[in-house]
Amino acid sequence: QLQLQESGPGLVKPSETLSLTCTVSGGSISSSSYYWGWIRQPPGKGLEWIGSIYYSGSTYYNPSLKSRVTISVDTSKNQFSLKLSSVTAADTAVYYCARRVLYYYDSSGYRNKLDAFDIWGQGTMVTVSS
Amino acid sequence: DIQMTQSPSSLSASVGDRVTITCRASQSISSYLNWYQQKPGKAPKLLIYAASSLQSGVPSRFSGSGSGTDFTLTISSLQPEDFATYYCQQSYSTPRLFTFGPGTKVDIK
Repeated sequence: QLQLQESGPGLVKPSETLSLTCTVSGGSISSSSYYWGWIRQPPGKGLEWIGSIYYSGSTYYNPSLKSRVTISVDTSKNQFSLKLSSVTAADTAVYYCARRVLYYYDSSGYRNKLDAFDIWGQGTMVTVSS
Repeated sequence: DIQMTQSPSSLSASVGDRVTITCRASQSISSYLNWYQQKPGKAPKLLIYAASSLQSGVPSRFSGSGSGTDFTLTISSLQPEDFATYYCQQSYSTPRLFTFGPGTKVDIK
């Protein structure tokens, strides 16, 4: 079955760039039915969507992070990546990668918008500290 | 932008209780509402999509309802494995903007 695994440094210094990679196994990242996304969760807090990418490279970013975020995809490696620049302690969080399913088919066979994250990686803790 | 609120922010319940969690959107989102369950130290899990459709493999004691601005997640008979935090998420304004609610923590009374 499809699995996602985050990888990258667990400690990043303030003002530097956080870089994470998500490796997709058990399926192709190049499916037309899915976007791929990053979500983070500061300790003890809720979920924050960071951004999403399609296999073609089309991206959407959270406006609150857009100036610092870059998400890219490498279809040859079945991976997508996150870069978050100029990090501060406020960027300390568990970072999740996930598959974003765009549609579902109802009982009549019609395609309907779904747009939810249905498969998640286990998450990786990133601490911003000197 | 659409804002999502949830109530209560936390609740205490006993095994076997019927539990209802409410999610409210700041404007109508039709039925574009999904629910997730997150257990401590684990990734969220999709429970309900399109307000009322049960994700594959999710027990039938979970149900969702609502449309427009007001939605509910109901657990008909709370089980020990259901103690977790529940998040709603609107998909009306996606793919441009993806918004989660603040979460409702369900713990043991």
